[in-house]
Amino acid sequence: KAGVTQTPRYLIKTRGQQVTLSCSPISGHRSVSWYQQTPGQGLQFLFEYFSETQRNKGNFPGRFSGRQFSNSRSEMNVSTLELGDSALYLCASSLDGTGPQETQYFGPGTRLLVL
Amino acid sequence: GQNIDQPTEMTATEGAIVQINCTYQTSGFNGLFWYQQHAGEAPTFLSYNVLDGLEEKGRFSSFLSRSKGYSYLLLKELQMKDSASYLCAVPGAGSYQLTFGKGTKLSVIP
Repeated sequence: KAGVTQTPRYLIKTRGQQVTLSCSPISGHRSVSWYQQTPGQGLQFLFEYFSETQRNKGNFPGRFSGRQFSNSRSEMNVSTLELGDSALYLCASSLDGTGPQETQYFGPGTRLLVL
Repeated sequence: GQNIDQPTEMTATEGAIVQINCTYQTSGFNGLFWYQQHAGEAPTFLSYNVLDGLEEKGRFSSFLSRSKGYSYLLLKELQMKDSASYLCAVPGAGSYQLTFGKGTKLSVIP
């Protein structure tokens, strides 16, 4: 089975621009979560989607948004980019979101650099 | 809220045993995960503990004490490829988000 895939792998943007990142979960997985990883803060939860609905959201400003499509693929968008948004953005999928104990499987991430 | 604490860095010798500790505070307990992350790569699942005690999986074992809010990951017969960050994480009560510790960077030296 193919793993979680994320595109693009690397991205360079300038302040004020917006960016859209894509995630395809493992086939059959319906829950997709997004995380931001920085050296200072570690891995921080952004949001989680299941069946096209956002179920949980972390403590990030409204510039960070996401969506999920009927095929479980997900996108996240960051508008009005700031230097501090430079990070590795990780997507993780789990089978059917029946409980928080479900193992999440991570994609390789998108490394975003904001100049 | 949830809080997780892990040592920032550890160094151990090839062939040795190392124990990586994790303490947590959470409003509702739904188990504890350990992930391994090599530099520049995605975290990969190592273990999940929900009951007290030790679970062994090859060279890796994970221990949990719910009453103490404590877990450790034990790595035996260390190999150079075990050099990585080890992340402790707990799911939220009634939610699907994982709260991660900042990770322990393990360096295995010859």
